[in-house]
Amino acid sequence: DAGVTQSPTHLIKTRGQQVTLRCSPKSGHDTVSWYQQALGQGPQFIFQYYEEEERQRGNFPDRFSGHQFPNYSSELNVNALLLGDSALYLCASSLVGNTEAFFGQGTRLTVV
Amino acid sequence: DAKTTQPPSMDCAEGRAANLPCNHSTISGNEYVYWYRQIHSQGPQYIIHGLKNNETNEMASLIITEDRKSSTLILPHATLRDTAVYYCIVISNNQGGKLIFGQGTELSVKP
Repeated sequence: DAGVTQSPTHLIKTRGQQVTLRCSPKSGHDTVSWYQQALGQGPQFIFQYYEEEERQRGNFPDRFSGHQFPNYSSELNVNALLLGDSALYLCASSLVGNTEAFFGQGTRLTVV
Repeated sequence: DAKTTQPPSMDCAEGRAANLPCNHSTISGNEYVYWYRQIHSQGPQYIIHGLKNNETNEMASLIITEDRKSSTLILPHATLRDTAVYYCIVISNNQGGKLIFGQGTELSVKP
């Protein structure tokens, strides 16, 4: 079992650009959540997808959007990148309603 | 979700027990206590959770006070690989798995 896999591992983008991050959940999991972790802070919940729909959302602007595919994999899209979007983006998978989540290694996004 | 309070940092000698406290004085009756840890440059890792009884697994033990207002995560024989940030999270199981992380406790295990 490969666990939760995220790609790419590192990414550098310019202000104003758009970025897409990808996540494959642990085998058998149907729910994917995304978190943003700034340096020195705990992860902050962005949103959660189940059955290809956004089920919960944290306090993030509409520039952050996502998608879940029929195979349960997910994408996180961020438009009009700001310097403050520089962070580690974590994907977590679980079974629906289960709080025991499995996290990927994250994607380190740097906006310059 | 109930707010949790953890010390920002702790040290522990290798081979000794590490006892990480967490205060959650406003916890509700249907809320569980979950512990995750995050080793540097990795994603968080689930450790253990409990409702009101003490719990033990291969990684750690969780002691919850009778009034449920605080808990302690115990790593019985800490190793250098246990150096990490430990997060205590209080959440009800109908929250759909949305985790609210605080600042956590940075545990340093020293030789």
